[in-house]
Amino acid sequence: DIVMTQSPDSLAVSLGERATINCKSSQSVFSVSNRKNYLAWYQQKPGQPPKVIIRWASTRESGVPDRFSGSGSGTDFTLTINSLQAEDVAVYYCLQYYSTYNFGQGTKLEIK
Amino acid sequence: EVQLVESGGGLVQPGGSLRLSCAASGFSFSSYAMNWVRQAPGKGLEWVSVITSTGGSTYYGNSVKGRFTISRDNSKNMVYLQMNSVRADDTAVYYCAKTAGQWLEHHDYWGQGTLVTVSS
Repeated sequence: DIVMTQSPDSLAVSLGERATINCKSSQSVFSVSNRKNYLAWYQQKPGQPPKVIIRWASTRESGVPDRFSGSGSGTDFTLTINSLQAEDVAVYYCLQYYSTYNFGQGTKLEIK
Repeated sequence: EVQLVESGGGLVQPGGSLRLSCAASGFSFSSYAMNWVRQAPGKGLEWVSVITSTGGSTYYGNSVKGRFTISRDNSKNMVYLQMNSVRADDTAVYYCAKTAGQWLEHHDYWGQGTLVTVSS
């Protein structure tokens, strides 16, 4: 199994500031054949199912605000939320889909 | 509009069985792999199982292997999770999730989930 480790476990950021969440995989999730990273980011708000915000490590889903961005390759990935808004308070998960599926443990994002 | 509606959750005794169902609509069901993902109360997401678009291949997470069975009926647009020999740590909200493609893509649509409680 590929183990996904997120850091930090929780994060408090002031409104309008930048939030950065990291995700590290125990082995590479980069495919040499199609040159894609099999990594997605999800946002989950209380009482709701997860919502995908980033796929293929850096492709923003349709309708997701451009303050959300994903970066990284191989084993190290980052979700960045610029100019944090109140509605961004949620738990964020990374997911690898290179070899079946494994989620990170989640990062709880709060307002400072 | 893609819709996934889970049902079948409830209270089950340890060692018992339960069958979850997921009714899909709004997309060409037989073209996509389907998954079950669970979330224990106050905990993170755990992938449970995936079935390919034709039903020809199935895969399971280590914690449920040998106890749970995923299946699908493409004529009814349904996916199922048969849960046997359940344990207290199987208590969770179980989500049905559509894969964005036939295989090894992210989960793009999720249902609202059905709660399974394992307790005597």
